Amino acid sequence: SQQGEEDPQALSIQEGENATMNCSYKTSINNLQWYRQNSGRGLVHLILIRSNEREKHSGRLRVTLDTSKKSSSLLITASRAADTASYFCATDPDQGGSEKLVFGKGMKLTVNP
Amino acid sequence: DVKVTQSSRYLVKRTGEKVFLECVQDMDHENMFWYRQDPGLGLRLIYFSYDVKMKEKGDIPEGYSVSREKKERFSLILESASTNQTSMYLCASSFGAPNYGYTFGSGTRLTVV
Repeated sequence: SQQGEEDPQALSIQEGENATMNCSYKTSINNLQWYRQNSGRGLVHLILIRSNEREKHSGRLRVTLDTSKKSSSLLITASRAADTASYFCATDPDQGGSEKLVFGKGMKLTVNP
Repeated sequence: DVKVTQSSRYLVKRTGEKVFLECVQDMDHENMFWYRQDPGLGLRLIYFSYDVKMKEKGDIPEGYSVSREKKERFSLILESASTNQTSMYLCASSFGAPNYGYTFGSGTRLTVV
C-alpha cells in the first residue's frame, strides 16, 4: 500500500536552479523521510523530519512538513548535474507497532548541465 | 562503512527455475525487507522480517518465500520463476521502532526468460 505521492512526477531544470518536490500523505505519521535513487541503484536516505518539526536543513537540502495539510516539500538549492536521480518520500505511520515505511512512487529529477 | 549487500547485481534465470536472492547486513538491524520495483509502480513490499525466523507477508507475496535463519541474512526465494517476476529487487534493513530510516542494498536486476 502506498501513502505518499510525490509531485511533480518529473522535473527538468538547469544546473544552478532550485528544485522543489512535494509529497502528500494520508494518515498521521511519526516522521517523514526523503530518499534518492540513482539510476539502477538502491535508495539512499537523505533526510528525516519528525512530526513535531516544521523545517529541517542538511547541506543544500531543505525539508518542510505541514502535518495539518499532510504534506512535505524537499528543496534542493543550487542544483548540480549529479543531483539527477529519482526522489522518494516515505512516511513512518503513527499506528502502534508498525515498523514499515510507506513509500511514494517517486519522482524523476533531471538537472541539465 | 555500514552496508547492505545483495549477492548479485544482475541475474538471468529461466522460467520454472528456483531462484535465490541473498541479502546480508552488517549493522545488527532487527528488521529486513524485500521490495520489487517496476516502472510506474514504485516500490512494492514482498516480505519483511522483524527477527530471526520470523517473517510476514507484504503487499505482493504470491510466488515468493523468504528465509531468515540468521539475523544478518534475509533470503528471497522465487519457487518457480516466471517472466512476470522480471524486475529490480531491493533489500533493506532497519533498527526497530521508532523507524529512523532504511539502509538499502544496491539492488538485483532479475530477468526471467
